[in-house]
Amino acid sequence: DAGVTQSPTHLIKTRGQHVTLRCSPISGHKSVSWYQQVLGQGPQFIFQYYEKEERGRGNFPDRFSARQFPNYSSELNVNALLLGDSALYLCASSLDHTGSYGYTFGSGTRLTVV
Amino acid sequence: QQQVKQSPQSLIVQKGGISIINCAYENTAFDYFPWYQQFPGKGPALLIAIRPDVSEKKEGRFTISFNKSAKQFSLHIMDSQPGDSATYFCAANNYGQNFVFGPGTRLSVLP
Repeated sequence: DAGVTQSPTHLIKTRGQHVTLRCSPISGHKSVSWYQQVLGQGPQFIFQYYEKEERGRGNFPDRFSARQFPNYSSELNVNALLLGDSALYLCASSLDHTGSYGYTFGSGTRLTVV
Repeated sequence: QQQVKQSPQSLIVQKGGISIINCAYENTAFDYFPWYQQFPGKGPALLIAIRPDVSEKKEGRFTISFNKSAKQFSLHIMDSQPGDSATYFCAANNYGQNFVFGPGTRLSVLP
């Protein structure tokens, strides 16, 4: 079985640009969460989606948005990129929105803003 | 109150030794405490997890000890191996809420 797949794996963008990151959850998983991991720190929660609805949002500016599609895949969009947005963006999938079954993380998208 | 504190920041252990990483939390609503292992260039992988109704859980060389009254939990890695060298994150959540991660511990096991 395929795990959580994220694309692209690496990305370099210029300040002010927009970026779209994509995630496909494990088959059968209906919840997708997005985390930002700055180098040397633990992952920080950005969004959780379950059954195509937003279930939670972390302390991130409105430049960050996301959505979940009918096939449960998800996109994370970041507008007006700042240097501080450089990080590893992790997608995690789970069976449901409770977290009771733990998360399975993808390998992430490494975003560098120059 | 949502913070999870983790120590030490880094840890060096000889092969065959015991690695111990500690975490503390404030939010008494947390009811699930996983540990994740992360290798460079990879996402975190679930290692072992515990719920507050038990004080200890063991899976192979990995043990979680949980102290509900002190709001602390720890990961013990017995017979540490060079392949265990990675960054370890503790985390916590309560039902239906997002996970809160500790800042991580970089473990180096010397051969």
